[in-house]
Amino acid sequence: EDQVTQSPEALRLQEGESSSLNCSYTVSGLRGLFWYRQDPGKGPEFLFTLYSAGEEKEKERLKATLTKKESFLHITAPKPEDSATYLCAVLIQGAQKLVFGQGTRLTINP
Amino acid sequence: DSGVTQTPKHLITATGQRVTLRCSPRSGDLSVYWYQQSLDQGLQFLIQYYNGEERAKGNILERFSAQQFPDLHSELNLSSLELGDSALYFCASSVEPGRRVHTRTDTQYFGPGTRLTVL
Repeated sequence: EDQVTQSPEALRLQEGESSSLNCSYTVSGLRGLFWYRQDPGKGPEFLFTLYSAGEEKEKERLKATLTKKESFLHITAPKPEDSATYLCAVLIQGAQKLVFGQGTRLTINP
Repeated sequence: DSGVTQTPKHLITATGQRVTLRCSPRSGDLSVYWYQQSLDQGLQFLIQYYNGEERAKGNILERFSAQQFPDLHSELNLSSLELGDSALYFCASSVEPGRRVHTRTDTQYFGPGTRLTVL
């Protein structure tokens, strides 16, 4: 069964303290891996798409990387406004639906 | 702002009732997806439409149905509502369902959601 697991479930950091979020996946065939940011009560906001192992994407303080079994979302020198739930999702070959992980709830303290 | 709109923002209703959620995709997007998000289940795929036709079904209950109209907006109908149907319902859209390799046509952009509360 296709599965996406994110860790940790929750992460609390001080402003400026860099860290990484993990997304591991077990799927029949990966078409793409997506990272979204979700604020409470809001819709997921698209961040990155990764298609191939070794691929990296960057946006401001965020950098996403992909291997054959997992993806990392690195956050460098985070600010309080980076506090949100970060969702990882995979698009399976031949399917249309996104399979989501449970998310990592990130809190950045000033 | 993703460009995907959903109405209403909030909906409060009673058990046994029927409601309709509406979604307008981003301009130019042909594919619409519906997802349900509850506290214990996370984001779960319900159903997908592409240019008016049903393309894929997920864990959608028989009490739920959807359609996509010629102007590409979509409606999700939920009937015989139960307490457990209380959740956030999201619509997403993409250009097309991943026909091309390594392009952004299969990126799904999400709307702001409809919060359904069943009392």
